[in-house]
Amino acid sequence: DAKTTQPNSMESNEEEPVHLPCNHSTISGTDYIHWYRQLPSQGPEYVIHGLTSNVNNRMASLAIAEDRKSSTLILHRATLRDAAVYYCILRAIYNQGGKLIFGQGTELSVKP
Amino acid sequence: EPEVTQTPSHQVTQMGQEVILRCVPISNHLYFYWYRQILGQKVEFLVFFYNNEISEKSEIFDDQFSVERPDGSNFTLKIRSTKLEDSAMYFCASSPGLLAEQFFGPGTRLTVL
Repeated sequence: DAKTTQPNSMESNEEEPVHLPCNHSTISGTDYIHWYRQLPSQGPEYVIHGLTSNVNNRMASLAIAEDRKSSTLILHRATLRDAAVYYCILRAIYNQGGKLIFGQGTELSVKP
Repeated sequence: EPEVTQTPSHQVTQMGQEVILRCVPISNHLYFYWYRQILGQKVEFLVFFYNNEISEKSEIFDDQFSVERPDGSNFTLKIRSTKLEDSAMYFCASSPGLLAEQFFGPGTRLTVL
């Protein structure tokens, strides 16, 4: 499985945008970029995913570099509830079983 | 909104005892997973279950572990003879499609004494 690299931690102020980076320089053409997050004491939660084009949903936006070697998860207005560990995960189209391979993720703290 | 549920929320057991962790996946989902997270560590894949059989398992999922979908709604993880190192949060997940988002339950905290 292709690897991802994320900063260990980031801080944000409430109601400000947050840009969470992920490097995946060994990504292959059949890898989707998925983001999950894990709120304290909860199970992981799907955030967003994309292949080549930027994606928006009600939770966040995903900006994918043209060469696909990096991506950025954008939270447009951070709230205290967004404090969580954010995981950037590559999933191959032909991934046997669709398992998720979690790294250490980025721990986001949000200050009021 | 449908959700994955898990019981119990916390299970304490003695080393060597058998435990069964229970999950009720979302009803129209076809793909089922167990993951675990040792305190302070990353979430690790254990097993993928589809069409009433194990489709993929990790090295962690040795012959002490088994999974079952006994009645079409529950999905269980059994550990036959627990070890201290089995202490972890165990998460069940289900998904409607192979590459679709996975929906996780709240987890069962297993403590082995």
